[in-house]
Amino acid sequence: QKEVEQDPGPLSVPEGAIVSLNCTYSNSAFQYFMWYRQYSRKGPELLMYTYSSGNKEDGRFTAQVDKSSKYISLFIRDSQPSDSATYLCAMTNAGKSTFGDGTTLTVKP
Amino acid sequence: EAQVTQNPRYLITVTGKKLTVTCSQNMNHEYMSWYRQDPGLGLRQIYYSMNVEVTDKGDVPEGYKVSRKEKRNFPLILESPSPNQTSLYFCASSSSDREDAYEQYFGPGTRLTVT
Repeated sequence: QKEVEQDPGPLSVPEGAIVSLNCTYSNSAFQYFMWYRQYSRKGPELLMYTYSSGNKEDGRFTAQVDKSSKYISLFIRDSQPSDSATYLCAMTNAGKSTFGDGTTLTVKP
Repeated sequence: EAQVTQNPRYLITVTGKKLTVTCSQNMNHEYMSWYRQDPGLGLRQIYYSMNVEVTDKGDVPEGYKVSRKEKRNFPLILESPSPNQTSLYFCASSSSDREDAYEQYFGPGTRLTVT
């Protein structure tokens, strides 16, 4: 069983929709929880990170971590066509990083 | 411009022919890491380095070597490549002296094909 499981998608939503992306994990030692966005043929780029349980907001993006349930989410409000990409959750413990398989999102105009 | 560079970007080689993929960062980051990305398997960590002369295995280190002799460079060495190492490879770096120690900056990727 993988340490990090990500909802596979793909997801297709109309412009303006609220998007929810989710990951679960099994390793309690994970300390940092990140969301990366990856456009086709590019390297991943960091969207947001959190260290503890709770919510963190950055513009249209909200990251949520529930350590008791070992569950993290990324919410995108008012989604735009430019949000179309693959979203990867990631978790770290000391130097080791573990990524989810990614969810591909398409936002249709 | 702050960046992580990888070379080559594309490489086709044959089984058993040693190759090196270079990675360099200009952000004075202590932490560097190599990943491979495969369809259905996601992004998997090969090796990482917390600082010069300090390297550790990630989840899929078999068949790979790394060295960290300088802070800015972290080459990935495949001494005897095999077809199952055909993949998209990413190098990443991160500062370890701030709260966001694991905010990793990724390079553009190297697409390797081993025939």
